[in-house]
Amino acid sequence: DAKTTQPPSMDCAEGRAANLPCNHSTISGNEYVYWYRQIHSQGPQYIIHGLKNNETNEMASLIITEDRKSSTLILPHATLRDTAVYYCIALPTGNQFYFGTGTSLTVIP
Amino acid sequence: SQTIHQWPATLVQPVGSPLSLECTVEGTSNPNLYWYRQAAGRGLQLLFYSVGIGQISSEVPQNLSASRPQDRQFILSSKKLLLSDSGFYLCAWTKGQATYEQYFGPGTRLTVT
Repeated sequence: DAKTTQPPSMDCAEGRAANLPCNHSTISGNEYVYWYRQIHSQGPQYIIHGLKNNETNEMASLIITEDRKSSTLILPHATLRDTAVYYCIALPTGNQFYFGTGTSLTVIP
Repeated sequence: SQTIHQWPATLVQPVGSPLSLECTVEGTSNPNLYWYRQAAGRGLQLLFYSVGIGQISSEVPQNLSASRPQDRQFILSSKKLLLSDSGFYLCAWTKGQATYEQYFGPGTRLTVT
């Protein structure tokens, strides 16, 4: 499974877009990029995943570079409830997840 | 709809005492089940996963064990707790091989004193 690198922490102003980067330079062709988030004292929550194409759902957008060595999770209009730890994971479908320490996002009023 | 339950929500146990945490899933059949642990300020560590009754895979050798006596029941146990076993224990499930979306329970916060 590809190793991912994320900044340990980020701040974002409420109402602005939050752009969370993730490096996965050793990703292989069959490995998907998944994003989860964990609000304090709760279990992680699935956000979005993708392979090559950019993806969007009701929670966020996922932008994957053409060489697939990095990606960005975009929360278009961050709210205080988006304050959480965000995990980027790269692995083939069917493998087990290994959550790292992620990025702690703080949305500031 | 599917729901996942864990109990107890919090637990304080002395060193050397036994442990039993239970996780049950409702509204689905033959789920893949997982136990994770999160120490304070750390990431999630996968402890065990199970693809069926009686089938347990261990990710980290330690003094914990897991069992799956029924299709939708997953139990985490220890005969003698260590201080290092303190943490937030999370159970999760997925449907078959679609592991991209794991559903997590509310967790059990264990403090070993």
